[in-house]
Parts: sequence; C-alpha cells; structure tokens
Amino acid sequence: RKEVEQDPGPFNVPEGATVAFNCTYSNSASQSFFWYRQDCRKEPKLLMSVYSSGNEDGRFTAQLNRASQYISLLIRDSKLSDSATYLCVVKPWAGTALIFGKGTTLSVSS
Amino acid sequence: NAGVTQTPKFQVLKTGQSMTLQCAQDMNHEYMSWYRQDPGMGLRLIHYSVGAGITDQGEVPNGYNVSRSTTEDFPLRLLSAAPSQTSVYFCASSYRRDRGGTYEQYFGPGTRLTVT
Repeated sequence: RKEVEQDPGPFNVPEGATVAFNCTYSNSASQSFFWYRQDCRKEPKLLMSVYSSGNEDGRFTAQLNRASQYISLLIRDSKLSDSATYLCVVKPWAGTALIFGKGTTLSVSS
Repeated sequence: NAGVTQTPKFQVLKTGQSMTLQCAQDMNHEYMSWYRQDPGMGLRLIHYSVGAGITDQGEVPNGYNVSRSTTEDFPLRLLSAAPSQTSVYFCASSYRRDRGGTYEQYFGPGTRLTVT
C-alpha cells in the first residue's frame, strides 16, 4: 500500500461548483497533515494544514479522520483560478521529511 | 528574504557526466529536502537533512549524494548522470511552526534536468 494515496482525477467542474478531494495514508503514527497546491510547471505551495478538529480557510475546508486514516479537502464556489493539482501531504514522525501523494488534478471551466 | 533558491533552472547533461544542483535558503530553516518529480509518479524524496551535518536517505537516493555543511546550503550531486535521472528537481526547506509538530515547507522553483 502506498504511504499516501489520492484519486488522480482529473476533476472537471464548472465555476461555482463544490468539489471534494480525498486522501488516505498508511502510517497510523503520522503526525502532521497538509494540502499543497501545484500549478503547471511550478513548485508546490502550502495551501493549508489539516487539524483533527477540521479547519477552514475561506472557501477551503480540510478534515482529518485519524481513525480511518483519511484526509479531505472541500472547495466551495470553485473559481477558474482554482485549477491546479492538489497534493495530499503527510509527515510521518518527528525528524522526517514530508511524504507526498501523487496529486489530484482540478480543472474549473467557465 | 529570497526564500529557497535553486540553480541552475535548466540543465542538459550527457550520460556519465556529473554535476551539482545548488540549493540555498535564507530563512534559517532546520530541515531541507530534495525531491524529484516525474509524470505520473508525483514528488519522490531523494535525500533530506534535519540540520547542518545530518543527512538521511529518502525513497530514491541511488545515484545522488548530498551534504549539509551549513544551515543555508544543501547541494545535490549527481555522480554519473543517467537518462533515468531526467526529471524536475525541487529543493525545499521547512521549520517547525508549533509544538504540535506542524511544519511549513517552502519549495524552490525547481531545476529541469535532461540527461541524453
């Protein structure tokens, strides 16, 4: 089983739609969780951290379910500028580097 | 702050040549990492460092060496380039943001390497 698994998509949605991405991780001792965004031919950039209580940043909501080892990202009212690849990221334990999923591609059309 | 800088941005090598990809950060981050990104494979960790003088292997370390003599610099050396090393290489640095273990990681702009 891969350490971090994501549905690669692509997800093709119209502007204004709500879209959800899911991610599972294999290491139950994982400490920290993130969503990164990567635009075509650019470096990944941190979108948001994911906390056990769930957290929201504007139109973006992240959820973590430690029991199921499952992370989600919800994007409401999609914009054209949301088109990108979204990477699910896990930090297994202290002193280790981040483990990235392969990413889910989102395309928002007008 | 310049953040994380990488040089060169593009490089073409012949099989068997060696070279060093440079990475520097000016944010005094303790952690630095090297990733490669290939189509359909996502980001794969090559080597990482938790501080000056300390390095460790990631998922795909073969054919690469690293050293961390200073906090700021983390060069990646290709010992004898092979076509399989054609990829986009990203360097990243990170710091521990809070006691809960949240780390924020920042990436450089990448180096696009082609080995012929």
